[in-house]
Amino acid sequence: QKEVEQDPGPLSVPEGAIVSLNCTYSNSAFQYFMWYRQYSRKGPELLMYTYSSGNKEDGRFTAQVDKSSKYISLFIRDSQPSDSATYLCAMSSWGKLQFGAGTQVVVTP
Amino acid sequence: SAVISQKPSRDICQRGTSLTIQCQVDSQVTMMFWYRQQPGQSLTLIATANQGSEATYESGFVIDKFPISRPNLTFSTLTVSNMSPEDSSIYLCSAPGTISSYNEQFFGPGTRLTVL
Repeated sequence: QKEVEQDPGPLSVPEGAIVSLNCTYSNSAFQYFMWYRQYSRKGPELLMYTYSSGNKEDGRFTAQVDKSSKYISLFIRDSQPSDSATYLCAMSSWGKLQFGAGTQVVVTP
Repeated sequence: SAVISQKPSRDICQRGTSLTIQCQVDSQVTMMFWYRQQPGQSLTLIATANQGSEATYESGFVIDKFPISRPNLTFSTLTVSNMSPEDSSIYLCSAPGTISSYNEQFFGPGTRLTVL
């Protein structure tokens, strides 16, 4: 069993819809939780970073962490075609990141 | 945040040769990390590079194959040695946003390596 599970998609949504992404994990030692966006042929870009259970908002992005269920989510409101990318969840234990498989998101005009 | 640059951005190499990848951070950091992203895959941690000490490698990665240098608090190199086509990947370095943190990590643009 992988330590971090993420559905690879692809996930196709119409422009303006809410994109919902999630990951589950098995290692209770993970302390910090991140979401990265990666465009084709680019390095991952940090979108959200949190360490406690609950919600964190930043513009159109909301990150949700439920440590009791070992489940994290990312919501993108009012999605745009420019949001089309691969979204990677990552979990940190003493600085070492464990990544999910990445979910390919396609936002269609 | 940290701004990270890598050289080269891409390279095509022959089997059996070695390539050294450079990573530069715009601020001092204690820890730097090297990852590999194989075609169509997610990122896998190769090693952690601490300034002033030997790099620590993850399971499946060895120093003879991936020697790492960390001469100062803003720079690191990763060498891919005795390359084979299976080493064709994107190699990325990362670093935290502040010298006192190690969890909020930022990535360089990556080095796309093709081995023939």
